[in-house]
Amino acid sequence: EAGVAQSPRYKIIEKRQSVAFWCNPISGHATLYWYQQILGQGPKLLIQFQNNGVVDDSQLPKDRFSAERLKGVDSTLKIQPAKLEDSAVYLCASSQMRGGVSGNTIYFGEGSWLTVV
Amino acid sequence: QKEVEQDPGPLSVPEGAIVSLNCTYSNSAFQYFMWYRQYSRKGPELLMYTYSSGNKEDGRFTAQVDKSSKYISLFIRDSQPSDSATYLCAMSAYNFNKFYFGSGTKLNVKP
Repeated sequence: EAGVAQSPRYKIIEKRQSVAFWCNPISGHATLYWYQQILGQGPKLLIQFQNNGVVDDSQLPKDRFSAERLKGVDSTLKIQPAKLEDSAVYLCASSQMRGGVSGNTIYFGEGSWLTVV
Repeated sequence: QKEVEQDPGPLSVPEGAIVSLNCTYSNSAFQYFMWYRQYSRKGPELLMYTYSSGNKEDGRFTAQVDKSSKYISLFIRDSQPSDSATYLCAMSAYNFNKFYFGSGTKLNVKP
């Protein structure tokens, strides 16, 4: 089974420029997440999709960040304009909620590493 | 108060030592508990998954959940230099697809 795919893996941009990250979740996983992870910290949820609808975007800085998940599969996360403090790794993850003993687990991609200079 | 608390370390041990990594949590609704290993410049990789209370063993790794104390642990026996990584705990409630993460503990196993 293929894992969560992300691209690009690394990106360096200047502040005020824009950047976009792409994610393809594990096949059949209805829930897709974008997390921001700053060095030395745990992942922070930016946005959660269930199919192509937004479940939670309460921590997404909407003045500069946007995300979409067209057709309930692939997703893109965009930052425009970027700030220095956006330097982080952006992790895409997916899950398939089963409940009960089988339960919930979340699988991550390798991440997209952003440096804003 | 954070939902999940995890000692950030770093934790440095000699090869062959038993390592204990811990998280505490505040939400009694959490039923699913996970441990992830994250190598430098890589995404988190699911290591162990436990439902409700009890122990689960997989090779050198044992995950332990004490719901009465709201405390989970990951034990690594015979630690190896290849175990050097950051370990993240995560948890979620029943039938609820939202996950809560600790801040990660950085482990260094010295040869």
